[in-house]
Amino acid sequence: KAGVTQTPRYLIKTRGQQVTLSCSPISGHRSVSWYQQTPGQGLQFLFEYFSETQRNKGNFPGRFSGRQFSNSRSEMNVSTLELGDSALYLCASSYRTGYQETQYFGPGTRLLVL
Amino acid sequence: TQLLEQSPQFLSIQEGENLTVYCNSSSVFSSLQWYRQEPGEGPVLLVTVVTGGEVKKLKRLTFQFGDARKDSSLHITAAQPGDTGLYLCAGVYSGGGADGLTFGKGTHLIIQP
Repeated sequence: KAGVTQTPRYLIKTRGQQVTLSCSPISGHRSVSWYQQTPGQGLQFLFEYFSETQRNKGNFPGRFSGRQFSNSRSEMNVSTLELGDSALYLCASSYRTGYQETQYFGPGTRLLVL
Repeated sequence: TQLLEQSPQFLSIQEGENLTVYCNSSSVFSSLQWYRQEPGEGPVLLVTVVTGGEVKKLKRLTFQFGDARKDSSLHITAAQPGDTGLYLCAGVYSGGGADGLTFGKGTHLIIQP
């Protein structure tokens, strides 16, 4: 099976702009989660989508939003970019059995906000 | 908010040495996972531990889940340069619900030849 793919891999934006990142999960995985990774804060959970519905949400401002399509592909959007939004954005698709969740991460999109 | 504390944050040792990385929390986790991340890549799952006291081995890596399911350790025997990377622990909170995976900030490991 192909792994999780994310596009674009690298992105440079300026403050105030908005950005859309895309994630294609592993075939058959219906859950997609997004994380922000920075050197200072590590990996922080943004949100999770399952069957086109947001199932979980982390503690991020409303400028961060996402959606999932019927084919399980997901996008996340950040509006009114700030310098602090510079980070590696990781997408993970997963399946869950009971309390066990196995997540498979994509390579990430590295966003630089100038 | 459930927090996972990893220690040490940074570790640089010589090839052939042994090392242990720790992951601690005040919360009980129903399961805990260890990932390894290399530069420019996403984290890759190494192991999942579920049962308190569980020990799992993956070649030279030994993972242990604490009896109370609040802590875990990763021990590497005879470290090799290929073990270099960021090691992350992540837990699923046993209270269930809506937090996704909680990650520690990771241990940056460098194995010098």
